[in-house]
Amino acid sequence: QVQLVESGGGAVQPGRSLRLSCAASGFTFSSHGMHWVRQAPGKGLEWVAVIWYDGSNRNYAESVKGRFTISRDNSKNTLNLQMNSLRAEDTAVYYCAREGMVGDITGFLDWGQGILVTVSS
Amino acid sequence: SYELTQPPSVSVSPGQTARITCSGDGLPKKYAYWYQQKSGQAPVLVIYEDSKRPSGIPERFSGSSSGTMATLTISGARVEDEADYYCYSTDSSGNHRGVFGGGTKLTVL
Repeated sequence: QVQLVESGGGAVQPGRSLRLSCAASGFTFSSHGMHWVRQAPGKGLEWVAVIWYDGSNRNYAESVKGRFTISRDNSKNTLNLQMNSLRAEDTAVYYCAREGMVGDITGFLDWGQGILVTVSS
Repeated sequence: SYELTQPPSVSVSPGQTARITCSGDGLPKKYAYWYQQKSGQAPVLVIYEDSKRPSGIPERFSGSSSGTMATLTISGARVEDEADYYCYSTDSSGNHRGVFGGGTKLTVL
């Protein structure tokens, strides 16, 4: 079955960096776009970033553009999110999510369990 | 920036029909997706491409879209449907940025 397991979260001071990873299994990782979505405590979902199945294109929410970088290693079935210049408002549970393929079921088919990032001095 | 607008809350009695709306200027050009999130859990896709239902999602869940508004309908709502529901779409300007609505808390009691 599909599994998405996030790692790398934790507490960090404002202005510092953190790198999240998402280990994928149970599907052909290199065939699917992948996303990061976050949820601040008690708040709604916020889309963060997407990377195309082959890494050829990436897009970011305005709130993280220029500070966060999404990447993937299809040889290791791993998705990453490098987060720099972190702010208090980046505090959230971060989910990685698998996108469906055009012509099949689309949307975010599977989600990781989420990992908490806390930015505080 | 592109926004999707949902009502903060909807309340129905068991067996009634719940309707949750999502409005956005890009919806005439882009599909709407709906996610259910129960407390402490990751979201689950319940409707994709405006009106399609993934396997395993009960038939009481349906979706529609007309103009700038998409609607999630739960016919004969059950207590176990109580959750937060989020619509999602992408920016129609071509930059492929995603956006979620603010979420709607559905209460069934």
